[in-house]
Amino acid sequence: GNSVTQMEGPVTLSEEAFLTINCTYTATGYPSLFWYVQYPGEGLQLLLKATKADDKGSNKGFEATYRKETTSFHLEKGSVQVSDSAVYFCALKGRSFGNEKLTFGTGTRLTIIP
Amino acid sequence: GAVVSQHPSWVICKSGTSVKIECRSLDFQATTMFWYRQFPKQSLMLMATSNEGSKATYEQGVEKDKFLINHASLTLSTLTVTSAHPEDSSFYICSATLPGTPNSPLHFGNGTRLTVT
Repeated sequence: GNSVTQMEGPVTLSEEAFLTINCTYTATGYPSLFWYVQYPGEGLQLLLKATKADDKGSNKGFEATYRKETTSFHLEKGSVQVSDSAVYFCALKGRSFGNEKLTFGTGTRLTIIP
Repeated sequence: GAVVSQHPSWVICKSGTSVKIECRSLDFQATTMFWYRQFPKQSLMLMATSNEGSKATYEQGVEKDKFLINHASLTLSTLTVTSAHPEDSSFYICSATLPGTPNSPLHFGNGTRLTVT
């Protein structure tokens, strides 16, 4: 079955620090990969996605590259801000019809201090 | 586009009563919607897959008679927590995907925080 292993948190960084949150996956076939962000008390928002090998998803300064050879999709940002404080979820989705549910990692709580 | 609206955003109910949560796709037709449950500081657990016009598919360990799901139209799915108890208190989140697009992400509602007293 599909699974996502995500770096455990919590992670605390100073403002303008470099961020990496590791994510690796196991999947049948060729999944699509996503990063979602959840701000306190809210639902999930799509942060970025990649649908094939070597694709790089990017949004709001965050980036992640679909690495098929290492089955990874690590999230990075060069300079974090206080407003980036949230919980980040790595997820994968099966590509075949009828297999469209998301499998989530455990989430990584990120806190940025001024 | 691809907005999912969930209502209510929070609800407090007494033990033994039932609570209905609505999930609507506002600008697209969602043949499939998903219901997740999230415990404090934990990841999302898929409860069931809701298919328009047919019975929902429940994940292992989820009580079908406890969590009733109805997907009566292409834009609305409802989750009813029947005879709620304090252990049902949680954050419930629905999501939907654009039909026929296996590469597309799920779009999430803002969640419903249920507190059972």
